[in-house]
Parts: sequence; C-alpha cells; structure tokens
Amino acid sequence: SQQGEEDPQALSIQEGENATMNCSYKTSINNLQWYRQNSGRGLVHLILIRSNEREKHSGRLRVTLDTSKKSSSLLITASRAADTASYFCATDKRSQGNLIFGKGTKLSVKP
Amino acid sequence: EAQVTQNPRYLITVTGKKLTVTCSQNMNHEYMSWYRQDPGLGLRQIYYSMNVEVTDKGDVPEGYKVSRKEKRNFPLILESPSPNQTSLYFCASSYLTVDNSPLHFGNGTRLTVT
Repeated sequence: SQQGEEDPQALSIQEGENATMNCSYKTSINNLQWYRQNSGRGLVHLILIRSNEREKHSGRLRVTLDTSKKSSSLLITASRAADTASYFCATDKRSQGNLIFGKGTKLSVKP
Repeated sequence: EAQVTQNPRYLITVTGKKLTVTCSQNMNHEYMSWYRQDPGLGLRQIYYSMNVEVTDKGDVPEGYKVSRKEKRNFPLILESPSPNQTSLYFCASSYLTVDNSPLHFGNGTRLTVT
C-alpha cells in the first residue's frame, strides 16, 4: 500500500544548483517526513513537517506541504556532490503502526 | 552512541535453511519495525511492534516471523527462506508519540537466498 510517491524518479544536477523533489500522497496525514539514503545504507531522517505547517527549513533544506493537494516538496539549495543520495518521503498511518515510504528520488550531484 | 544494530550485514544462504537477522536498539524506543527494500519497489514494511510482546503484520509479512520479548531486541526470522526473499532488509526504531517521532535505521542486512 504505497502512500507517498516521489517525483522525479531520478534527478541529475550540477554542484551549486538547487534540487527540488516532490511527493504526493493519497490519504490524510498527521505529518510527513523526508529521509535520505546513501547507497545501500540505512535511511537517515532529514525533516518532519506536521499537517498544520506549510513550510519548514533546516539548513539548506526547505520543505513545503500542501494538504489540499496532498503534496510536499523538498528543496535542497546550493547542492553539493555529497548530497548525492536517494530521498524518500514517508507519511504516517501510525495509528495502524505504519510509516509508509515512497519509492524515492535518486539525486546525482555532479562536481 | 544511540544506534540500531543489525547483524549480519551480509548473508548468503540456501533455500529452506532457517535464519535469524538480529536487531537491537539502545535508545529505549517502544516502536520497532522491519522493512525490505527492492529495486523499483521502495521500502515495504514486513512487521512492526509497538511494545514488548506486541507485534503486527505490515504489508508483506508472508514468510517472516518476529518476536519482541525484550524492548531492545526485535529479531526477524525466516523459517524456510526462498529466493524471492533475496533483498536488503532494514530494522528501524522510534519513540511512540502522538507526533510520530523519526525512525532510526540500522545499516541493513543484504540477504541472498540461492
């Protein structure tokens, strides 16, 4: 039962450019989270945005949430080669015990 | 250091040979979960546990068992592994709060069943 779907599936940019990834989901949520995964490693939590929030910042990360459109975006500004990774959104159905992950966006930042 | 530890990191086995992948966390988290990750399918939840002695099925529980006898440990058991269980497995844990605190992931176990 895939809840979040990221778009695009893959993104390739030059160092210094901004990267934008989108996530759409199907049912109402309490919050939405973004995670990062370096190749083959465990996921690392980046940021959580609650359903009553519209925008949140953390360093070079900016997340927006539009509950009317059931969508979120993750913006990475001034990208670096070290940002190369896969990025996943996850939405909660924690009342049922699940945090549902999308299939991810694979970001490649070329030096 | 706060962490989720999975063992082993790599495992190659044969069809039908029972195996256990261990998972341990040192953060006193109530919630623990197992995921499998396959190309093109993202992360899919296998089983989860909201506390000791409480476990529930996720989206893909067939062929797996879990137990939660202690708060820190949540082993994943494959009683009779099959090749379609070849995958990258992740254990994760978190506090169980209204705000759904972030998940902490282990480094993964890459399982190959021949």
